[in-house]
Amino acid sequence: DAGVIQSPRHEVTEMGQEVTLRCKPISGHDYLFWYRQTMMRGLELLIYFNNNVPIDDSGMPEDRFSAKMPNASFSTLKIQPSEPRDSAVYFCASSQDAGTHPGAFFGQGTRLTVV
Amino acid sequence: AQSVTQPDIHITVSEGASLELRCNYSYGATPYLFWYVQSPGQGLQLLLKYFSGDTLVQGIKGFEAEFKRSQSSFNLRKPSVHWSDAAEYFCAVGPGGYNKLIFGAGTRLAVHP
Repeated sequence: DAGVIQSPRHEVTEMGQEVTLRCKPISGHDYLFWYRQTMMRGLELLIYFNNNVPIDDSGMPEDRFSAKMPNASFSTLKIQPSEPRDSAVYFCASSQDAGTHPGAFFGQGTRLTVV
Repeated sequence: AQSVTQPDIHITVSEGASLELRCNYSYGATPYLFWYVQSPGQGLQLLLKYFSGDTLVQGIKGFEAEFKRSQSSFNLRKPSVHWSDAAEYFCAVGPGGYNKLIFGAGTRLAVHP
């Protein structure tokens, strides 16, 4: 398996523009997580899905952020409108049920810069 | 509330020296515990995990960690560090049954030749 695949790897956009980050989880994994990494706040969980259903979005910072998982092999994280403080590395991770397979597998991240 | 503390922000060791990275957690029940490593510009790679059984767990790349319930600790160790081990290391805790992980702030390891 190719692992968790994220695109793009780097994104530079102007403040106010819409940004869409994409993630393909590992086949057979039924949990998907979106994390954000910044120097100030470290790794924060934004939202996670189980079987394509959002379970906990309490980490989503504002209404400007939204995430979808239309099917088991694809998820998006959208920021609209983007702001400079959204600049961060966004990671997608996937896993199987923790009871039998503890631990999540991470993609290589999308480095977002909002200017 | 669940939390993870990694007291050391930066650690520098010489190649061939032993290594111990500290991790303390706060969690009401038996947690699932993890160590991840992140090389520059890369994602996080799972080094090892503990969720039950033997409290000394072996991971990849020659790393091991020991779960000590009495000290709420899960320290990462390696007997002899290689230059390629230079990276950032994250300890994480997950509630049993979920992989919704809470991460520590990370420890950046530098290795001198």
